[in-house]
Amino acid sequence: AAGVIQSPRHLIKEKRETATLKCYPIPRHDTVYWYQQGPGQDPQFLISFYEKMQSDKGSIPDRFSAQQFSDYHSELNMSSLELGDSALYFCASSRPTGASGYGYTFGSGTRLTVV
Amino acid sequence: GENVGLHLPTLSVQEGDNSIINCAYSNSASDYFIWYKQESGKGPQFIIDIRSNMDKRQGQRVTVLLNKTVKHLSLQIAATQPGDSAVYFCAENDSGGSNYKLTFGKGTLLTVNP
Repeated sequence: AAGVIQSPRHLIKEKRETATLKCYPIPRHDTVYWYQQGPGQDPQFLISFYEKMQSDKGSIPDRFSAQQFSDYHSELNMSSLELGDSALYFCASSRPTGASGYGYTFGSGTRLTVV
Repeated sequence: GENVGLHLPTLSVQEGDNSIINCAYSNSASDYFIWYKQESGKGPQFIIDIRSNMDKRQGQRVTVLLNKTVKHLSLQIAATQPGDSAVYFCAENDSGGSNYKLTFGKGTLLTVNP
């Protein structure tokens, strides 16, 4: 069965650089969510999109932005990277709308290391 | 959200024993709960969910119990196997607040000894 695809799996960036993380949801899933997980911590909700519109926003820094495209894939753009941005970034998708909708599934994540 | 840093609660069991992992959730308005299993370097994997109109739900080798009075959730794993070793998270959602956001609890590291 198709899963949530994230790319790249690993990314190393220097401070003050930019990074773009991509997420391809499960086919027919219309909602995408982004989470950040620091070492030894629980995942923290960043932002979500439903039908290409932002549906909710969590603890996402102003340096980060995200969008969902017409094919439902999503990109998380991170600028002016800081050492503290080093974390695992997960994307999840579901259908229909919302966390209690069908098949809330996480991808394998992108490990971002800022040096 | 608040966290306890790098020190996860841990549970160590023998293969074949039953495991019980507990979770206290914070939002009394939460009406949907999920247990996830996370192996090192991987994304959270769905185990079982429960809605607030239920107090128990069973899956294959797993049972989730919900006590809304004390805002407590538990995951019972029967006949624990070495492959069950992972970090387990509970997550809650308040569909009346934000239908999109899952709030995760503190993970518990389960180690199964062969």
